[in-house]
Amino acid sequence: GQQLNQSPQSMFIQEGEDVSMNCTSSSIFNTWLWYKQDPGEGPVLLIALYKAGELTSNGRLTAQFGITRKDSFLNISASIPSDVGIYFCAGRYTGTASKLTFGTGTRLQVTL
Amino acid sequence: NAGVTQTPKFQVLKTGQSMTLQCAQDMNHEYMSWYRQDPGMGLRLIHYSVGAGITDQGEVPNGYNVSRSTTEDFPLRLLSAAPSQTSVYFCASRTRGGPDTQYFGPGTRLTVL
Repeated sequence: GQQLNQSPQSMFIQEGEDVSMNCTSSSIFNTWLWYKQDPGEGPVLLIALYKAGELTSNGRLTAQFGITRKDSFLNISASIPSDVGIYFCAGRYTGTASKLTFGTGTRLQVTL
Repeated sequence: NAGVTQTPKFQVLKTGQSMTLQCAQDMNHEYMSWYRQDPGMGLRLIHYSVGAGITDQGEVPNGYNVSRSTTEDFPLRLLSAAPSQTSVYFCASRTRGGPDTQYFGPGTRLTVL
């Protein structure tokens, strides 16, 4: 089955720095989602994108639906320690309302 | 309102044993799904259901069975556990036609020896 390629796999940053990560697919999606997973818990939805070129923010988080519909980007501004976790992208195809394909995850660690 | 609940939280099985992972949601969501999460692999869809009495296979269905007799419950059955099924299992639910907010349970960590 298809998996989305997410990069970077992991990153260490200092508190206050901005963070960028991206997700690419060999196929077109009509919905892109970004999740965060804390240790020992299930993923929690951060941002949902429904239209090519769409740029959506949620507090310090901003995500974009790539123009080609084969990629998406997540930016975190002014990182804080509670941003630590694993960030997953997920895509959905047209007509598959309940089937998400997840990326491999980006592990973020923030140092003081 | 408990959201999505999963039991057990941890389980150790021997190869060949069977067991059922339980999942329940109290939000009256039509859609429910089972994922497994392995290191470096993200989450992969095992089975999903769009309503009571309706189930379908996801990306990695082999070795797992599901049923959906009620809207609330979506159990995942391992008929003959194998070491390759060692993983963390997440159940998720969302409402049909609504926002894309898919609620995940806390997960079941399964080890097959």
